[in-house]
Amino acid sequence: SAVISQKPSRDICQRGTSLTIQCQVDSQVTMMFWYRQQPGQSLTLIATANQGSEATYESGFVIDKFPISRPNLTFSTLTVSNMSPEDSSIYLCSVTDPGQGNNEQFFGPGTRLTVL
Amino acid sequence: DQQVKQNSPSLSVQEGRISILNCDYTNSMFDYFLWYKKYPAEGPTFLISISSIKDKNEDGRFTVFLNKSAKHLSLHIVPSQPGDSAVYFCAVARAQGAQKLVFGQGTRLTINP
Repeated sequence: SAVISQKPSRDICQRGTSLTIQCQVDSQVTMMFWYRQQPGQSLTLIATANQGSEATYESGFVIDKFPISRPNLTFSTLTVSNMSPEDSSIYLCSVTDPGQGNNEQFFGPGTRLTVL
Repeated sequence: DQQVKQNSPSLSVQEGRISILNCDYTNSMFDYFLWYKKYPAEGPTFLISISSIKDKNEDGRFTVFLNKSAKHLSLHIVPSQPGDSAVYFCAVARAQGAQKLVFGQGTRLTINP
């Protein structure tokens, strides 16, 4: 299974600022995913990050608000731009193991963001 | 519109007894179903899965049941142990190998000694 780390683990930010979250995987993976878990809610997919191409965003999420980089097969960043208190969530990255042929995703520990 | 629903936000079970967590989905196109467990300050970890061609899959103390006609799946844990206390998420996918997962809201399971 893949080992995934995220930085920072948590942060408290002021309204109107931006935060970039890093996701590092210990092996090369084709697809990386970014999720958001708002308080008391389910995990919601923000976007799929593919190396060498633009990220694919889910309905309700846009690149201007959540720009994503994927410079190589082991790393990705998600930026939360122009933050408001509604962006307070846990942000998680995940990866799949295409060799498994199943849907199992491995998740990072998450970044807990609080916007004041 | 919530495609995957876990109607019980919390469940409390005595150690040694059976824990039953439930999940309902709305779209009959979903073909692959998973359960994840999440401890505080950690990411979700995969627990067990089932494809739509089966109605039961067992792995040790964990069994997942699928009722396609009712669009319902459940996770049984027996016997329940204190280390099982966590938040459990069900997730669904359009097909085995499809990348996108849709998650339920989660059920917080507490195992009491």
